[in-house]
Amino acid sequence: QQQVKQSPQSLIVQKGGISIINCAYENTAFDYFPWYQQFPGKGPALLIAIRPDVSEKKEGRFTISFNKSAKQFSLHIMDSQPGDSATYFCAASSLFGNQFYFGTGTSLTVIP
Amino acid sequence: EPEVTQTPSHQVTQMGQEVILRCVPISNHLYFYWYRQILGQKVEFLVSFYNNEISEKSEIFDDQFSVERPDGSNFTLKIRSTKLEDSAMYFCASHVDRGLTEAFFGQGTRLTVV
Repeated sequence: QQQVKQSPQSLIVQKGGISIINCAYENTAFDYFPWYQQFPGKGPALLIAIRPDVSEKKEGRFTISFNKSAKQFSLHIMDSQPGDSATYFCAASSLFGNQFYFGTGTSLTVIP
Repeated sequence: EPEVTQTPSHQVTQMGQEVILRCVPISNHLYFYWYRQILGQKVEFLVSFYNNEISEKSEIFDDQFSVERPDGSNFTLKIRSTKLEDSAMYFCASHVDRGLTEAFFGQGTRLTVV
């Protein structure tokens, strides 16, 4: 059973555009939802994370929108830049959990 | 900035051979993990380790796999008899506290089984 579903698998956006990646989860016990950014040959690095007590969190050009009732959350990258080209993974975990459950990843390409 | 370091960066081994992947977690972290990523696929959980014992393991982590923290700093993943399908990127991660805080990932070890 896939705990976290992510879409789209790949995304191509023009420079300056908005990139949107969506995730849905199954387990209502999840209460921490990070997004990880991974460049080729590197390990995943935390980009931004949200708890379910808020519906939105913004850090610079990156925003997480969270819909608890729908069990969905999304990453919005405003003014996308070529340097944002990477693979993005959503994930979920719970307070007493022992692992992160990762989505399948989205390969983002920002065209200059 | 503290970081998780992994060695080697790339390991090529023959099928059936044993491999040991090494990780040095961030010094004040208490929770340690191994994940793997088959090329182009999602990051998959293998095992979590706390207080010198396994706290959770996935179905992937069968009897061919083992972990240990031999000297209080290194955290190792051993695969006893490698199979072709073990070829993947293996990531070590550490956590100062589980659940709601950032997990820091190493740069990974690319394991190629031939």
